[in-house]
Amino acid sequence: EPEVTQTPSHQVTQMGQEVILRCVPISNHLYFYWYRQILGQKVEFLVSFYNNEISEKSEIFDDQFSVERPDGSNFTLKIRSTKLEDSAMYFCASSELQVGVPLHFGNGTRLTVT
Amino acid sequence: AQSVTQLDSQVPVFEEAPVELRCNYSSSVSVYLFWYVQYPNQGLQLLLKYLSGSTLVKGINGFEAEFNKSQTSFHLRKPSVHISDTAEYFCAVSDSGGGSQGNLIFGKGTKLSVKP
Repeated sequence: EPEVTQTPSHQVTQMGQEVILRCVPISNHLYFYWYRQILGQKVEFLVSFYNNEISEKSEIFDDQFSVERPDGSNFTLKIRSTKLEDSAMYFCASSELQVGVPLHFGNGTRLTVT
Repeated sequence: AQSVTQLDSQVPVFEEAPVELRCNYSSSVSVYLFWYVQYPNQGLQLLLKYLSGSTLVKGINGFEAEFNKSQTSFHLRKPSVHISDTAEYFCAVSDSGGGSQGNLIFGKGTKLSVKP
């Protein structure tokens, strides 16, 4: 069964550094998402992306964050200047449609900011 | 705005016992409801979903859930659990009307621990 793949599985970075988290969604999917889960807290929506542009973003997704689909297969989340509070598990997800179709999640990237 | 409450953060249960994981939601619009499971060091996997129709929904691994609109609940049940069901379970809701349909609102999760 096709799956969403994320790399790396664990990223350690110093505060103030830029990080790029990478995702390869399922090939025929059109909608792409990033979620994050701070340790011990809820899984939170960050951003959704369709047709090469952001369709929705949450309050968490401020100017430090950006997303990009640089080619036909990758979907990236960039954090420009990481803060300690950005430490979390980041999940990429994709779906074929937007209505009533479940999201397929990757295994996540654990980001640790020191 | 929608919200999801999972009342139990941890549920310990013995193998072959029944289990119910509770989920309540609040929303001013019609919703779709989902249960996801997260095994250790893995991503979120869909267990089951309610979109419309029958309020009793069957999912993978013998799980089922019942949508109760009047009580705004979507509790997850399994009549007999296995050790392999040990995982964290997340209830989620999304707007079924216009907009934000892919934006899932998650509960805090319930850790199910199945003991031999």
